[in-house]
Amino acid sequence: GAGVSQTPSNKVTEKGKYVELRCDPISGHTALYWYRQSLGQGPEFLIYFQGTGAADDSGLPNDRFFAVRPEGSVSTLKIQRTERGDSAVYLCASSLNRDSGYTFGSGTRLTVV
Amino acid sequence: RKEVEQDPGPFNVPEGATVAFNCTYSNSASQSFFWYRQDCRKEPKLLMSVYSSGNEDGRFTAQLNRASQYISLLIRDSKLSDSATYLCVVNMGSGGSNYKLTFGKGTLLTVNP
Repeated sequence: GAGVSQTPSNKVTEKGKYVELRCDPISGHTALYWYRQSLGQGPEFLIYFQGTGAADDSGLPNDRFFAVRPEGSVSTLKIQRTERGDSAVYLCASSLNRDSGYTFGSGTRLTVV
Repeated sequence: RKEVEQDPGPFNVPEGATVAFNCTYSNSASQSFFWYRQDCRKEPKLLMSVYSSGNEDGRFTAQLNRASQYISLLIRDSKLSDSATYLCVVNMGSGGSNYKLTFGKGTLLTVNP
């Protein structure tokens, strides 16, 4: 597609449930990033993929968070045992390579009730 | 000291005004610098990169002072459509990790008719 596509755009889930957030990057972009933006804050880095591998997952807050990119294109961010503090907008971005600019998707707004 | 610190705002200015945003960053080894714009409930979009020599794009001028670890954005002749949150963004990576962007909290600008 023309841009970075994220689904769903909104997700409401109950505390303790499992959720998956999907990101479809711009075709041909090898680098993919997940960021999280809480209300009133700038986006915070979660994880970076170069191709299929997670090159840097140092931003994942704890082991309830996991992300995959099995074929080097679509990525899924998975959150287990969701907590109310996980509520935020989860942003995905891609770039042609590590040194080029980012294009962000429109995000998934996750609300844990 | 926060990694990237911006004017807290909000800024409310009349149409046609000149407005300046300031930002400081903590890591002297930071490599690249950007201003992003984020409209309400939308994703961040790259406004402009910031270079040591200073750069201009129409009504927007960005400056970088590496010695003071300071970045600025000047908007001249502000328009209603400039109303948004402006995010100061720094690539603090070094030694092969020059992909991770660190965002400030953002400064909200409202341009009034």
